[in-house]
Amino acid sequence: QKEVEQDPGPLSVPEGAIVSLNCTYSNSAFQYFMWYRQYSRKGPELLMYTYSSGNKEDGRFTAQVDKSSKYISLFIRDSQPSDSATYLCAMNPNDYKLSFGAGTTVTVRA
Amino acid sequence: GAGVSQSPRYKVTKRGQDVALRCDPISGHVSLYWYRQALGQGPEFLTYFNYEAQQDKSGLPNDRFSAERPEGSISTLTIQRTEQRDSAMYRCASSLGVDQPQHFGDGTRLSIL
Repeated sequence: QKEVEQDPGPLSVPEGAIVSLNCTYSNSAFQYFMWYRQYSRKGPELLMYTYSSGNKEDGRFTAQVDKSSKYISLFIRDSQPSDSATYLCAMNPNDYKLSFGAGTTVTVRA
Repeated sequence: GAGVSQSPRYKVTKRGQDVALRCDPISGHVSLYWYRQALGQGPEFLTYFNYEAQQDKSGLPNDRFSAERPEGSISTLTIQRTEQRDSAMYRCASSLGVDQPQHFGDGTRLSIL
């Protein structure tokens, strides 16, 4: 069993819809949680960075962490075609070694 | 530079050859990381530097893989006697410090024939 599980999708939504992404994990030591966006042929781009449990909002993006359930989510409101990408969750306990999910491919249809 | 720069973007070489992959981190970032990303997977940790010191190389698959960062800036990942299973995307990331968010480059796609 992988340390971080993420449904690879693909996920297809119409423009303006809410995109809901999630990851589960098994290592209770994880404390820092990130979401990266990766466009085709590009490197992962950091979207959200959160510590411990709770919610964080940045524009159209909301990240949620539920450590009791070992479950994290990313919501994208008012989705745009430019949001079409692969979204990777990542986490680490208290150091540098990131553990990534496999990524979810999202397509927002115009 | 504005972001993490990696070169070459693509490298094709024959099995048995040595390859060197270069990473130029964001200016001022003291921590540097190498990851390997297989198709359809997230990056997997290879090694980490703080300034010029290699702090952790536990993710390097075997002793054919090595990395250095002699002046605490540019880093080189070297793979000796390449094998087909080494084919992958190799990514470099950097951060202001070890407890800061990591920023990734666009990677080097390595193909071993």
